[in-house]
Amino acid sequence: QKEVEQNSGPLSVPEGAIASLNCTYSDRGSQSFFWYRQYSGKSPELIMFIYSNGDKEDGRFTAQLNKASQYVSLLIRDSQPSDSATYLCAAALSGTYKYIFGTGTRLKVLA
Amino acid sequence: DVKVTQSSRYLVKRTGEKVFLECVQDMDHENMFWYRQDPGLGLRLIYFSYDVKMKEKGDIPEGYSVSREKKERFSLILESASTNQTSMYLCASSSTTGGGYEQYFGPGTRLTVT
Repeated sequence: QKEVEQNSGPLSVPEGAIASLNCTYSDRGSQSFFWYRQYSGKSPELIMFIYSNGDKEDGRFTAQLNKASQYVSLLIRDSQPSDSATYLCAAALSGTYKYIFGTGTRLKVLA
Repeated sequence: DVKVTQSSRYLVKRTGEKVFLECVQDMDHENMFWYRQDPGLGLRLIYFSYDVKMKEKGDIPEGYSVSREKKERFSLILESASTNQTSMYLCASSSTTGGGYEQYFGPGTRLTVT
């Protein structure tokens, strides 16, 4: 059974700090990885995607991928209370257009 | 911007009713997906369509069927609604080009079956 695992949290960080969210995946053939933000009662919103090993930056967000360790992370710099949400990690299953999602990490940014 | 719309935000149905959930995307995406999301269980794939009239079962297809007669529209059908189908239903779409196949979600339909 292919899986994506995340710590459910909550992860609490003070406003202005760096929030670090992590996920591991089991499908060694997965090539594409995605981070979604989901506010309570709303649908997931795509924040970033990453295909290559290393870092990818977009504004306050940095996605990191290490395929050898099967590990993906999302860093949020200068965290704001509005970043408080559940963050879902997803991996595209090898050979398909389907994703497998983690159950999400709840982030709380304390003002 | 990608736009995925769903026919209802909230729906209340009775046990045994036939329920139709509709999803429309405006980005000419080839792939469309139906998920349900339940607390503690995350997002689970019900059905997936990679082309008009083509469909593939996901992880939890029992009790559901789908229809894709036009590229932009993907319908989820609950043939005989049951209380254990009370959930948040999310539609998503993605392209087969561009490399990433990023999925974009609609706003969701919260279905309550009583």
